[in-house]
Amino acid sequence: AQSVTQLDSHVSVSEGTPVLLRCNYSSSYSPSLFWYVQHPNKGLQLLLKYTSAATLVKGINGFEAEFKKSETSFHLTKPSAHMSDAAEYFCVPGAGGTSYGKLTFGQGTILTVHP
Amino acid sequence: DGGITQSPKYLFRKEGQNVTLSCEQNLNHDAMYWYRQDPGQGLRLIYYSQIVNDFQKGDIAEGYSVSREKKESFPLTVTSAQKNPTAFYLCASARDYNQPQHFGDGTRLSIL
Repeated sequence: AQSVTQLDSHVSVSEGTPVLLRCNYSSSYSPSLFWYVQHPNKGLQLLLKYTSAATLVKGINGFEAEFKKSETSFHLTKPSAHMSDAAEYFCVPGAGGTSYGKLTFGQGTILTVHP
Repeated sequence: DGGITQSPKYLFRKEGQNVTLSCEQNLNHDAMYWYRQDPGQGLRLIYYSQIVNDFQKGDIAEGYSVSREKKESFPLTVTSAQKNPTAFYLCASARDYNQPQHFGDGTRLSIL
């Protein structure tokens, strides 16, 4: 079964500086991985997905993530933070190989962006 | 535009009352899911359904019930047996179990 660990519960950056949200995965086979974002009192929005087609995945709003098998990581990055990026971010393994359709969400990483 | 609609946005429940949260999708997705989110916690799966007329319990199904009579609709009933129903409820759908899930904007349920 797949599982992920988000290494930081909170990340704080200044507007215009780079963003790095860390996610390590554990899987006995090539996983599918997703990054979601949740703004306050809203549902989750898919930022990007990795499904083994390419190791560098570009998502919406300037985010991207690189799948590194040697490091078992799938970190989310953005070159320059914007105030509107302040939200909670979830790294989620795909459901394949687990209970049918069941995604497992961890605690998430809260991103704060300072002016 | 295709999407998932949850209603109402805010809901209040009296003691001993059952309430039903609506979830409708026009994405033609087979799979639908209900999650509960508590402050500072991730999402926990209540129920999921892969096809019409079939659904499975998730991790915290006690005190909840669902139905899936139509592909587009997956209503969740919070029964009086759920003693701590105050939470943010999210509905999601996916083309199939291995595809990313699309989420509605949630319903916030509170106790009167």
